[in-house]
Amino acid sequence: NAGVMQNPRHLVRRRGQEARLRCSPMKGHSHVYWYRQLPEEGLKFMVYLQKENIIDESGMPKERFSAEFPKEGPSILRIQQVVRGDSAAYFCASSQEDTQYFGPGTRLTVL
Amino acid sequence: KNQVEQSPQSLIILEGKNCTLQCNYTVSPFSNLRWYKQDTGRGPVSLTIMTFSENTKSNGRYTATLDADTKQSSLHITASQLSDSASYICVVSSFSGGYNKLIFGAGTRLAVHP
Repeated sequence: NAGVMQNPRHLVRRRGQEARLRCSPMKGHSHVYWYRQLPEEGLKFMVYLQKENIIDESGMPKERFSAEFPKEGPSILRIQQVVRGDSAAYFCASSQEDTQYFGPGTRLTVL
Repeated sequence: KNQVEQSPQSLIILEGKNCTLQCNYTVSPFSNLRWYKQDTGRGPVSLTIMTFSENTKSNGRYTATLDADTKQSSLHITASQLSDSASYICVVSSFSGGYNKLIFGAGTRLAVHP
């Protein structure tokens, strides 16, 4: 059973471009969570999704950020018109019940 | 405001020595507390989980304690190894909005030197 997979592992974007981060949950998991980790800081919750539904997006900025978890395919975290402050590690976790399992993260660098 | 605070921020110890990491939390309602290990460039991996009624849990050389009255937890690492070098994150789970939401501490960065 493969773990949570994220790609790309590293992503470099120029200011104003779009960033798309993908997360494939563990097999059988229908819950996906996205977190952001800034340097020297703890992980911060962004959004919680179940298949085709956003359950809680209270940690996600209202503008430029969006997330989806379609019926088929991976979950996508999309950041439009990236700015330097978006540079961070973005982690995805999945669960079937309570325990969340984390992916290796995507490190986004905005030049 | 729900918060999890960890100390020390960073720690250097020699291989073979023991160490203890601290976690204080103000989270309500409380569901459980986990300690995670995060290696550089990787996602967090769960080491232990404790509910309100548990006050100690071991996983090999890792032993976690929980005092729900004072809202404090510790992670004790025995006979440290070079591979223990990582960030150790205290995470408190709070049931809110119909699911268990995780609140993360900033972590303690542990370096084990030969």
